[in-house]
Amino acid sequence: DTAVSQTPKYLVTQMGNDKSIKCEQNLGHDTMYWYKQDSKKFLKIMFSYNNKELIINETVPNRFSPKSPDKAHLNLHINSLELGDSAVYFCASSQDTVGYRGYTFGSGTRLTVV
Amino acid sequence: AQKVTQAQTEISVVEKEDVTLDCVYETRDTTYYLFWYKQPPSGELVFLIRRNSFDEQNEISGRYSWNFQKSTSSFNFTITASQVVDSAVYFCALCDRTDSWGKLQFGAGTQVVVTP
Repeated sequence: DTAVSQTPKYLVTQMGNDKSIKCEQNLGHDTMYWYKQDSKKFLKIMFSYNNKELIINETVPNRFSPKSPDKAHLNLHINSLELGDSAVYFCASSQDTVGYRGYTFGSGTRLTVV
Repeated sequence: AQKVTQAQTEISVVEKEDVTLDCVYETRDTTYYLFWYKQPPSGELVFLIRRNSFDEQNEISGRYSWNFQKSTSSFNFTITASQVVDSAVYFCALCDRTDSWGKLQFGAGTQVVVTP
């Protein structure tokens, strides 16, 4: 059983489209995250939710909207996709907001905007 | 300002050589956590180790070892007797209270290439 699963694994779409990436964790963790890895492999946090409540919201265009229907799910919706949104998006979870027991990452979603 | 510096962009070694990856961090907090992750060519992020700021003991896990030195704000990682399967990008990361807990701040990563 995959601990943190993301779908889809690959997503190719045209500029201007709206797309969603889904994430589910079966670890019983309270906190979930979205990270973005750019073309230079740099990883940066975008959002964090704890028990469905937004706790971290980095400087991200408001075209990106996270949604957490329950603590096991954190989806990422992107409106009006731009070329610069092409990246790998990683979902992660941790047992608490501190993450001192570590973070578990999903396998990533490679988004390509053409 | 970057809080985690991995100055080595790429390191190439021949199999069985040892390789040390440097990580220097910056924080004003007395309580923080440091991590290493491996990202193989398949792309997933694999957790290797977590260390809290109160535990300066070095750690060894098989061919992997870590040297944590608060005096120099460093958390270096050594792979002994490297193997081709060690080829990957390795990330050092910091979690502290300065901005908010739960935010893993990654270094830029070091690409390790191990050739047979």
